[in-house]
Amino acid sequence: RKEVEQDPGPFNVPEGATVAFNCTYSNSASQSFFWYRQDCRKEPKLLMSVYSSGNEDGRFTAQLNRASQYISLLIRDSKLSDSATYLCVVNDGTSGTYKYIFGTGTRLKVLA
Amino acid sequence: DAGITQSPRHKVTETGTPVTLRCHQTENHRYMYWYRQDPGHGLRLIHYSYGVKDTDKGEVSDGYSVSRSKTEDFLLTLESATSSQTSVYFCASNLGGGETQYFGPGTRLLVL
Repeated sequence: RKEVEQDPGPFNVPEGATVAFNCTYSNSASQSFFWYRQDCRKEPKLLMSVYSSGNEDGRFTAQLNRASQYISLLIRDSKLSDSATYLCVVNDGTSGTYKYIFGTGTRLKVLA
Repeated sequence: DAGITQSPRHKVTETGTPVTLRCHQTENHRYMYWYRQDPGHGLRLIHYSYGVKDTDKGEVSDGYSVSRSKTEDFLLTLESATSSQTSVYFCASNLGGGETQYFGPGTRLLVL
């Protein structure tokens, strides 16, 4: 089992749609969780951190379920500019190390 | 955006030659990382540093070495480049363990 797993997609959705991505992680000791956005041939950029109580930033909502070891990202009212690959990132969780484990990403295409 | 730069941005080299990639950050971040990104694999950790002269291996460290003599600079060296090291290389840094990582723009390396 991969340490961090994501559905690779692509998810093709019309403008204005709501789309959700899930990500599962294997290390129950992980403490930090993030969603990054990566555009084609560009570096990953932080979209949002994921907090235990869940958090929202405009049209984006992130949730964490520690019991089931998954995090989710909800995008409402999709825009063409949301087309990108979304990376789930989890810290290693092992005491004394500061490694981050990346999922392979979920591709989103928002269609006009 | 965090001030992280990488050089060179593009490089073509031949098998068997040494190659050094440079990462420079102006954020006074303690932690720095080198990743490679290949289709189907996502971002994989090569080496990371948790302080000046303090480094550790990642999951794909064979054939690579690193050095960090100053807080702001983290060098990645391919001692004898092979075609399997053709990839996009990203540098990242963060202030504290488990905190948000910021990425450089990437270096595209082609080994012929």
